[in-house]
This record gives sequence, structure tokens and C-alpha cells, in this order.
Amino acid sequence: EPEVTQTPSHQVTQMGQEVILRCVPISNHLYFYWYRQILGQKVEFLVSFYNNEISEKSEIFDDQFSVERPDGSNFTLKIRSTKLEDSAMYFCASSVLPTNEKLFFGSGTQLSVL
Amino acid sequence: GESVGLHLPTLSVQEGDNSIINCAYSNSASDYFIWYKQESGKGPQFIIDIRSNMDKRQGQRVTVLLNKTVKHLSLQIAATQPGDSAVYFCAENGMDTGRRALTFGSGTRLQVQP
Repeated sequence: EPEVTQTPSHQVTQMGQEVILRCVPISNHLYFYWYRQILGQKVEFLVSFYNNEISEKSEIFDDQFSVERPDGSNFTLKIRSTKLEDSAMYFCASSVLPTNEKLFFGSGTQLSVL
Repeated sequence: GESVGLHLPTLSVQEGDNSIINCAYSNSASDYFIWYKQESGKGPQFIIDIRSNMDKRQGQRVTVLLNKTVKHLSLQIAATQPGDSAVYFCAENGMDTGRRALTFGSGTRLQVQP
């Protein structure tokens, strides 16, 4: 069964450093998303992406965040200068439908900012 | 404000019993609802979804009920199995706000006792 894959599974970084989280969405999906989950809290929307541009973003997704689809298969989330409060599990998701329906999630990247 | 929340943080059931997980939402304009299952260390896994023009939808061993009058959503799992142990999230797509991103509830942990 096709699945969304994310790498790395764990990322430890120093505050102020840049990190890039990588995702390979399901191959026939056209809509891509990043969500995050701080330990013990709700899953929160960050950004959605379609046709090489951001469709929607949340208040969390400030100038420190960016997304890119550098080739036909990868979808990345970059955090330019990490803060302690960026520590969370980051989930990539993809979907066939444009209306945020039936998102398929990856297993996540646990980001720890020290 | 808009919110999606869960009544019970933890539900413990005996193997073979039926489970009912509840979710309240406050956005009366929400028109799409979805249940996800999240096992430890994994991303949210799609279970079942329902549109606001329906009040019931059945899947394999799962049923989602939607009561728009009281803005309540429930997930029923028949003959609960140990493999059903996980955190269950409801989410909604708040179309009236212009935001299509899913808003997640805070989750209910289902514990299946053998």
C-alpha cells in the first residue's frame, strides 16, 4: 500500500540552526501538507501546498518556515532559525482531493531543539 | 471561537465490547468530519469520514454518527480488539472561515483490556 515517507525520523538541533525535514508524498497525490504536534497537544496545521505554491498557511507558519518541492518526488519543510518552541513531531501529509479530505500522513519527524 | 474537542481523554473497554468515542464541535458551518487513529510513534491513520449532508456512515467495524443539531460526532468501533488501542482524533474542515485545513480535536486514548 502506498504511503507517505518522512526522513529523518528524529532530528536534534541547536537553537538558531536551520533544519530541513523531508517528505516523499504518495506518488499520484497533488496536494501536500505539513502539520505538527507538540507533545501532549493537538495536531496543528502549518501549511498546504499545491502546484508549486502555498495554498494556505496558519499563524504558526511565519517567516522562519518555508516549503519547497525541489523535484518530482520530495516535499520539504525548512525552519531557518530554530527556537526551543519548535520542538515537536512534524507530520507530512498528502491527498488526491483539494479540499483537505482524506489526508494520508507520514510517521513524522521528531524535532528536538536544544 | 471555533473548536473541535473531545469529551473523554481516556476510554477503557474490554476486548470484544463495542467502543464509542465522542467529539463535540462548535463550528456549525463545518461540512466535513474525519476520524483518525494514531498509534504510538506513528502518524494519524485515516479511519472514516462523513459529510454534513449525512448522519451516519459505516465502514469495516466502524460507524461514524453525526448529529448536527447538537454539533456532536461519534465513532463506534464494534467488537473492539487489542489492535484498536490508540489515540483517536476527530477533525473538521471549517469551510465557512475560508480555511480548508483540518482542525483537530485533542484526542481520546482508547485502551482495550484483554
